[in-house]
Amino acid sequence: GAVVSQHPSWVICKSGTSVKIECRSLDFQATTMFWYRQFPKQSLMLMATSNEGSKATYEQGVEKDKFLINHASLTLSTLTVTSAHPEDSSFYICSARGTRQGGFVAYYGYTFGSGTRLTVV
Amino acid sequence: LAKTTQPISMDSYEGQEVNITCSHNNIATNDYITWYQQFPSQGPRFIIQGYKTKVTNEVASLFIPADRKSSTLSLPRVSLSDTAVYYCLVGDEEDSSYKLIFGSGTRLLVRP
Repeated sequence: GAVVSQHPSWVICKSGTSVKIECRSLDFQATTMFWYRQFPKQSLMLMATSNEGSKATYEQGVEKDKFLINHASLTLSTLTVTSAHPEDSSFYICSARGTRQGGFVAYYGYTFGSGTRLTVV
Repeated sequence: LAKTTQPISMDSYEGQEVNITCSHNNIATNDYITWYQQFPSQGPRFIIQGYKTKVTNEVASLFIPADRKSSTLSLPRVSLSDTAVYYCLVGDEEDSSYKLIFGSGTRLLVRP
């Protein structure tokens, strides 16, 4: 099946530094990537949606200058948390929607990465 | 806003059948119903998807009444490893503008 590889799985950084999280679609073309944030015992909150080659669309209340999203290719999207602060500590998850490469039938579906646990100290 | 309503939590015992019902009164004609499972510190995992009546795969069944305003995920003979959060989502996945919006989910605890 479709696989999305997300790295790193966990990261600890100092307050004020930036952290980059990568998501790669391994066997399909991710035309759209979604980025979520999840706090303990809460549901996933959609942060932004990005289409390959265009600027990301951010949900209300999400700072676009703080959470930089790049989706430069059909297989890679990155989320950079800039000038991270302790309140940015959370579980970040990507989800890719796309079509399978080389298939005769287009695969429409949503595949999630394994998540990144960010701790800012 | 999520378009679904689910119980916040459910308890069960190993070997029992668990049924989780989701309400989606405003489901649209083109919307499918999809269930995801999430373990702590992992991304959600697709369980099953359906449009109407009944769908069954190797892990679950999905029952959808004729009016499609609700759906029930059925997990046969649960085990401890089925302890997780289960999310019900509705939407038209073939619409390129569709976004997966998660509701609160149902936290299932399976006891020995």
